[in-house]
Amino acid sequence: EILMTQSPATLSLSPGDTASLSCRASQSVGSSLAWYQQQPGQAPRLLFYGAFTRATGVPARFSGSGSGTEFTLTISSLQSDDFALYYCQQHDSWPWTFGQGTKVELK
Amino acid sequence: QVQLKESGPGLVKPSETLSLTCDVSGYSIRSGYYWGWIRQPPGEALEWIGSIYHTGSTFYNPSLKSRVTLSVDTSSNQFSLRLTFVTAADTAVYYCARRTHSYYFDFWGQGTLVSVSS
Repeated sequence: EILMTQSPATLSLSPGDTASLSCRASQSVGSSLAWYQQQPGQAPRLLFYGAFTRATGVPARFSGSGSGTEFTLTISSLQSDDFALYYCQQHDSWPWTFGQGTKVELK
Repeated sequence: QVQLKESGPGLVKPSETLSLTCDVSGYSIRSGYYWGWIRQPPGEALEWIGSIYHTGSTFYNPSLKSRVTLSVDTSSNQFSLRLTFVTAADTAVYYCARRTHSYYFDFWGQGTLVSVSS
């Protein structure tokens, strides 16, 4: 089973800042990495799959990058809606596994 | 828009069976895709439980395989989870989701908290 590690656990930022979230896999997953956003009390929302392919309706200020074992989700010019929990998931090898999440909170 | 909604008891006694149902709207389960369950224990990572196709074909997480059964009811456009012999470690928010053919999840339910306690 592939272990997914996200860092940092919490990111304290202000509106307008740039957020950089890291996700590391215990072995290579190629480009098979998805990112999800979760607002309190809401369902997770798919942001990216295939490491950098934006899901429908995701704003351009969100970008995904990386391959192999190291991945980054970047959110430029943070807006109020962006303060949330973010999870990564490898979709390369069964069983599919998730990271612990990074919380982007208001500083 | 595809929508999913979980339902079931919020409290289950240890050693008993946890049963949840996911109602799907906006998409016919018969049209394709796998349909899955994911859970998140308090303070822990999301964990994929298993997935089912409309034909009844299933894939389970090896860590839970001996206790999990997924089923699908295409006439009601819903699918279900049964987890037997539960313990406190099975306390979690349980989500249902649609799994794509590339193995990520594109639509999720809101989640339902199931606590295991006597």
